[in-house]
Formats: sequence, structure tokens, C-alpha cells
Amino acid sequence: GEDVEQSLFLSVREGDSSVINCTYTDSSSTYLYWYKQEPGAGLQLLTYIFSNMDMKQDQRLTVLLNKKDKHLSLRIADTQTGDSAIYFCAESNEDTGRRALTFGSGTRLQVQP
Amino acid sequence: DGGITQSPKYLFRKEGQNVTLSCEQNLNHDAMYWYRQDPGQGLRLIYYSQIVNDFQKGDIAEGYSVSREKKESFPLTVTSAQKNPTAFYLCASCSGRNLNEQFFGPGTRLTVL
Repeated sequence: GEDVEQSLFLSVREGDSSVINCTYTDSSSTYLYWYKQEPGAGLQLLTYIFSNMDMKQDQRLTVLLNKKDKHLSLRIADTQTGDSAIYFCAESNEDTGRRALTFGSGTRLQVQP
Repeated sequence: DGGITQSPKYLFRKEGQNVTLSCEQNLNHDAMYWYRQDPGQGLRLIYYSQIVNDFQKGDIAEGYSVSREKKESFPLTVTSAQKNPTAFYLCASCSGRNLNEQFFGPGTRLTVL
């Protein structure tokens, strides 16, 4: 089946930029997503990008997509302690009958004050 | 307030018992999903439903059962056949037209004693 991979942990200092990386195997992915999960809570959709786009910016968040290398990244500018959470990359393929997302294992972002 | 709710937040079960987790949404969404989350792992799809009275197995359906008798409700039963049921269970819903607006509930933590 399709696979989505992320590094497990990232630590940054408050005020720095964070870059969370993700690779995926489905060359026919339609959309790619970033979700945030705070401790003991559900997932919150942060942003998503259509597969024919290279970049999407939304306030402090920048998503970069390299479709050739099947690499997705999420950059958080001016990282705050409130950004500490687990970040999940996910992909969907609208061309298959499977109408569900495939998630990576999540990257735990720790922001040091 | 529109949203998706799960109950209970914490659930304890004795080995060998079946237990049902509730998921309700008032977003008028057609599609609903159940995921399981284990520590250090991403979300794995258990079952999903695109429309009332229809549902499909996900990647780890063994030991679980669902029903979709109403649009608003998608309960998940964890049966005694599930070998390792202790986990965090997340329900989600989306409009069904696309997967870009998938909303998650707050989750239920199931512990088998």
C-alpha cells in the first residue's frame, strides 16, 4: 500500500523557524495535508496543498511540495511554545476508490523557550 | 455549535468484553471514519462510511465492527476478537465531495485491564 514517512522528533528554540519534512510513495497523490495534534486531543487541519502546486503560504505556515522527489515540507516561521505538538503529514488519492487519508507517523515538535 | 463529538473520553474494559465507542456529528457530513492511534505511530484506518447504510473496511478492521444507520452517527464496537485493543481511537467526518475538510473528534482512550 501507499506509505508516508516522517522523522519522529524536532526541537527548536522559540522565535526560530521549524521545518518538518515528509516523504510519500504515491505518485498519484491528489492532495497533501498537514495536521496538528495537541496532547490528548484530536487532529486539527492546518493546511493542504493540491498536487499540481509547488508552494502554499498561510500566515506563519509555508508548505513546499517537490512532486518529482515526492517530498513535502512544512515551515513554521517565528515558532512559539504553543506550536509544540505532533504534526502529521497525510495524502489522499482521489483517483482510487479509497476515500480516506493515509497518514505518516507524526513528528513531535518541541519548542524550547 | 457544529462539530464532531466522541464519548466517552476514557474507557476501561475487561479482557473478553465487547465495548462500543460513540461518534456523532452535526455537520451534515456524508462520510465518517474511524482511526486507531498507537504511541509513536500514525493513524491507521479501521473502517469508513461514505453514506448511510454502507461502510468499508480499512487497513486494520479485524476485531472491530461498525454500523451507519443514521447520517449523524457512526459507532465503533471493539470486540473480544481484537487482540490488542488498548489505544486512542479517533473519529472523523467530511463532506464526501472531497477530503479537504476532514474534521476530527477529540478521541476516546480505551484501556483494557
